[in-house]
Amino acid sequence: AQSVTQPDIHITVSEGASLELRCNYSYGATPYLFWYVQSPGQGLQLLLKYFSGDTLVQGIKGFEAEFKRSQSSFNLRKPSVHWSDAAEYFCAVGNNNNDMRFGAGTRLTVKP
Amino acid sequence: NAGVTQTPKFRVLKTGQSMTLLCAQDMNHEYMYWYRQDPGMGLRLIHYSVGEGTTAKGEVPDGYNVSRLKKQNFLLGLESAAPSQTSVYFCASSRTGGGEKLFFGSGTQLSVL
Repeated sequence: AQSVTQPDIHITVSEGASLELRCNYSYGATPYLFWYVQSPGQGLQLLLKYFSGDTLVQGIKGFEAEFKRSQSSFNLRKPSVHWSDAAEYFCAVGNNNNDMRFGAGTRLTVKP
Repeated sequence: NAGVTQTPKFRVLKTGQSMTLLCAQDMNHEYMYWYRQDPGMGLRLIHYSVGEGTTAKGEVPDGYNVSRLKKQNFLLGLESAAPSQTSVYFCASSRTGGGEKLFFGSGTQLSVL
C-alpha cells in the first residue's frame, strides 16, 4: 500500500518568511498527491492536489507544491507566511479507489 | 449548505460499551470514509465505501464495523469499545475515487474510559 512521510513534526517561521514543508511518498504507480490543512478543532481542507500534467501545482491561500518523481517528493511552499497560516498540514497519497493515506502531519507555528 | 455532518461531536464511553457514529453528506457523493486521528500518527483510514450498499476495509479496521444503507449516510460502529479507540474520528466524502477532493466533517472526540 502507499505511504507518506512528513519528516518535520513541528516548524516555526517568522511572519513574512518563506516556508517549505517536506513530504515523501511511496507508491508503485503514478500517485495522486494532496496537501490538506487543519485548523484547531476543525476538519481538513484541501490546499492543492496533483495527479498529472505540470509538476508545479498552485493551490489556495498562495500555496504551491512541486512533484518530483525522481525524489518521490511533493513539498509544499509559500513565499511569505501570514499569521493565519498557523495550522497543521498533512500530505496525502491516493490511489484509484481513493484509499487515501496521510502523513503524520507538520505543525506550523508563525512568530510575529 | 451543510456538506458533511457528524454526530455526536463528543462522547465518553466506558470500556465494553457500544456506540454508533453517524455521518451524513448532502452533496450526492459516491465515496465516503471514516478516519481516526491520533497525535503523531496523522489520519488513518478505518473503512470506506465506494457506493450505497458497499464497504471496504482501510488501514485500521479491527474493532469497527460500518454500514452504508443509504447513499447519504455512513455509520461507524464500535461493538465493544476499548481505551485504544480513544481518538478523534473524521468522516469524509468525495464525488468519486481516483484523486477526487475529500470533504471532511468537523470530527467526533471519543474517549473510552
